[in-house]
Amino acid sequence: DGGITQSPKYLFRKEGQNVTLSCEQNLNHDAMYWYRQDPGQGLRLIYYSQIVNDFQKGDIAEGYSVSREKKESFPLTVTSAQKNPTAFYLCATAWGLADTGELFFGEGSRLTVL
Amino acid sequence: AQSVTQLGSHVSVSEGALVLLRCNYSSSVPPYLFWYVQYPNQGLQLLLKYTTGATLVKGINGFEAEFKKSETSFHLTKPSAHMSDAAEYFCAVSDLYNFNKFYFGSGTKLNVKP
Repeated sequence: DGGITQSPKYLFRKEGQNVTLSCEQNLNHDAMYWYRQDPGQGLRLIYYSQIVNDFQKGDIAEGYSVSREKKESFPLTVTSAQKNPTAFYLCATAWGLADTGELFFGEGSRLTVL
Repeated sequence: AQSVTQLGSHVSVSEGALVLLRCNYSSSVPPYLFWYVQYPNQGLQLLLKYTTGATLVKGINGFEAEFKKSETSFHLTKPSAHMSDAAEYFCAVSDLYNFNKFYFGSGTKLNVKP
């Protein structure tokens, strides 16, 4: 089936540890995104990538890092520098610059820092 | 950066009643406008989108939204609420200069009473 797969769905981390959230897509979409969702704050953009080997910071990139080595994959690393990492993380994709918009979302990963 | 305002973080309606969820955006010329729905612990699904043309847009599950440029609004409506409509709804706009960058409102949780 075509879609976006995020893993793990739930993740627990101790303070000071880095964690990596996986996002894989087989929709052949060019653009990929990471959003953070906190209650009452909507979705905030962390990073996005419009093409392989290129990515841009979003509004809240501090404490996060990404890579885009393959079109299908856009992993997000939450580093120990992120002050408040407990949140719901959503990966999304879009066709790319030639399209009229619309994001497709994965099921999300919930990260809890203990 | 653009901003999106959703009036009312929680809306409660009775089953069969009109649903009205409000969305206002900051720019007088938004490229594209979207409404998404999110069920608990899931990703977002597109309900409808406005790009160009007719200002009244019909979406899935009986929802529709009207783009009003003079009011910078894109309110979501449904004539008759169903229990299955209970979810969180997000309004979004694309960036004026980068169609692949999106801004989300803070969300409105819809509760449907029997």
